[in-house]
Formats: sequence, C-alpha cells, structure tokens
Amino acid sequence: AQKVTQTQTSISVVEKTTVTMDCVYETRDSSYFLFWYKQTASGEIVFLIRQDSYKKENATVGHYSLNFQKPKSSIGLIITATQIEDSAVYFCAMREGQGGRALIFGTGTTVSVSP
Amino acid sequence: GGIITQTPKFLIGQEGQKLTLKCQQNFNHDTMYWYRQDSGKGLRLIYYSITENDLQKGDLSEGYDASREKKSSFSLTVTSAQKNEMAVFLCASSIKGRPTEVFFGKGTRLTVV
Repeated sequence: AQKVTQTQTSISVVEKTTVTMDCVYETRDSSYFLFWYKQTASGEIVFLIRQDSYKKENATVGHYSLNFQKPKSSIGLIITATQIEDSAVYFCAMREGQGGRALIFGTGTTVSVSP
Repeated sequence: GGIITQTPKFLIGQEGQKLTLKCQQNFNHDTMYWYRQDSGKGLRLIYYSITENDLQKGDLSEGYDASREKKSSFSLTVTSAQKNEMAVFLCASSIKGRPTEVFFGKGTRLTVV
C-alpha cells in the first residue's frame, strides 16, 4: 500500500531565507507522481509543484523547487526567498502510476515566516 | 478554468443523524474525491470515484456512504453522526488516468452536537 510521511510538524523561518521540508513515501509501483500542495489560513488548498518518478531532473516552479532522491524515496520541497505569504501548511502527496489510483497525502508541515 | 462547489459550507447535526454533503464540479473531470481533515491534521481519503457510477473506498470509508450520480456531482453521506465530531470535508476532482494536479473545493465544516 502507498504511504506518505512528513515528520516535521512545524518550521519557523525569517523572511527572505530558504526553508526546506521533508517527505518520504512508500510505493510498490515503478511509476508514480509526487505533488506538493499548500493550504492557506483560509483553508484553501492549492497545487504547487509536481515530480514524475521517471524524471531525473528536479522540478522547479517559481521560488519552489524539489529535491527528489529516488533511492531514498524522498521528495523534499525547497522554498527560496521566503515571503510572509508563504506562511501556510504544506502537504506532500503521491499518486501511483496506474490509472484509477487515488491521491494520498502526508500529515503536513506548518511553515511560519516572520519579518 | 472551473470551480468545485461544496454545499453546505457549514453543517450542524445531531448525534445519530444521517447527514449528506454535496459536491459539484464544472471542470468536466472524471475522477472525484472526498477527504476528511481533522483540526491540525492531514487529509485522509474517504471515497473516490474514477468515473460516473464508480465508487472506491479509501482508508476512512467506515461510517460513510458515497454516491456518484453523474459526472459532475459526488455526494457523501455520514450514516450516523458521532457526538463531538468536528472536521472539514473536502471534495476534489482531477482528470482520469493523467497525473495532473487535483483541484479542491472550499470544504464543508461539520459539527455534531
């Protein structure tokens, strides 16, 4: 069965610095897709970035980037030049490759960015 | 673009009551999901549906029923509400078979008194 684990419950950083969040996953599929989502204080959940298991290159979108370490089943999220608005809960999620599989989430990491 | 609409936004029920939450999407997505989020916790999958008339149980399906009446709508029923239960139920949708992102509704907040 698939499983996603985020061990860091909360991280505090100062504005304009870099924050890194960890996520490890378990799957028996050779093909899978990894996602990071952000939940704002209002409760809205938005998609941030995605990594396909067959791609060796780490995905990057704006000031979000991933550290994909396939042998370690690890997909870390890196946010550079953090802003106050980056304060949120960040969820790691995985979907196995075969059609019809559900998206499974980790428990989330709360990031607080202070001035 | 599209939108996922969940109704009601707030739901207060009594212990033992059967409660129904509704979700509509206009993305024309095939797959729809119901997740439960307890305060300060992650999203746990209750049910999902790959296409109309399909239902798949998630890890948290006990105590819930689901119905995919048509492609655009997906309902969740709490079969017997538990006292002091408080959670947000999130509906989501995605394109079938493609590893694209999942889009979420704004949630239904359930309180059982």
